[in-house]
Amino acid sequence: AQSVTQLDSQVPVFEEAPVELRCNYSSSVSVYLFWYVQYPNQGLQLLLKYLSGSTLVKGINGFEAEFNKSQTSFHLRKPSVHISDTAEYFCAVSESTDSWGKLQFGAGTQVVVTP
Amino acid sequence: DGGITQSPKYLFRKEGQNVTLSCEQNLNHDAMYWYRQDPGQGLRLIYYSQIVNDFQKGDIAEGYSVSREKKESFPLTVTSAQKNPTAFYLCASTIRNSPLHFGNGTRLTVT
Repeated sequence: AQSVTQLDSQVPVFEEAPVELRCNYSSSVSVYLFWYVQYPNQGLQLLLKYLSGSTLVKGINGFEAEFNKSQTSFHLRKPSVHISDTAEYFCAVSESTDSWGKLQFGAGTQVVVTP
Repeated sequence: DGGITQSPKYLFRKEGQNVTLSCEQNLNHDAMYWYRQDPGQGLRLIYYSQIVNDFQKGDIAEGYSVSREKKESFPLTVTSAQKNPTAFYLCASTIRNSPLHFGNGTRLTVT
């Protein structure tokens, strides 16, 4: 069975500083990896996904993530954050080859950006 | 615009009452899902349906029931058997080889 660990529950960061959100997963098979963002009292919005191919994945809003198979990690980065990046971020994994709806989510990382 | 509509946004019920959460999508997606979100626990899958008139239990189905009579609709009933029903409930949908698309959620409070 797969599991996802987000190593930081909260990450404070200053505006225009870089941020890295860490995600590790465990699975016995090949996986598909996702990062979602959630603003207060809203649903989740897809930031980016890794399916195969290049291990560096670029997403929306300037985010990118790197898949590292040997370390079973999928860390999310942004070189310069804005106040509007304050939100909760979820890493998720799917083992399904025909449906990416059955996801195992991490517990989330709350990013708080201050001026 | 296509999307998923969850209603109501906030819902309050007394303990012992069943309550039904609505989820409607106009994306023409085949599969629909219900997730429950609790603080510090991420999202957990309750039920999902990949086709009309068929659905499967997720990881935490006890105390919940669903139906899928129409492609567009996937209502979730929280029964009195659910021991800790207060949570944020998210409905989502997808089509083959496409990531999940989420609604804006319903926050249920049971007292």
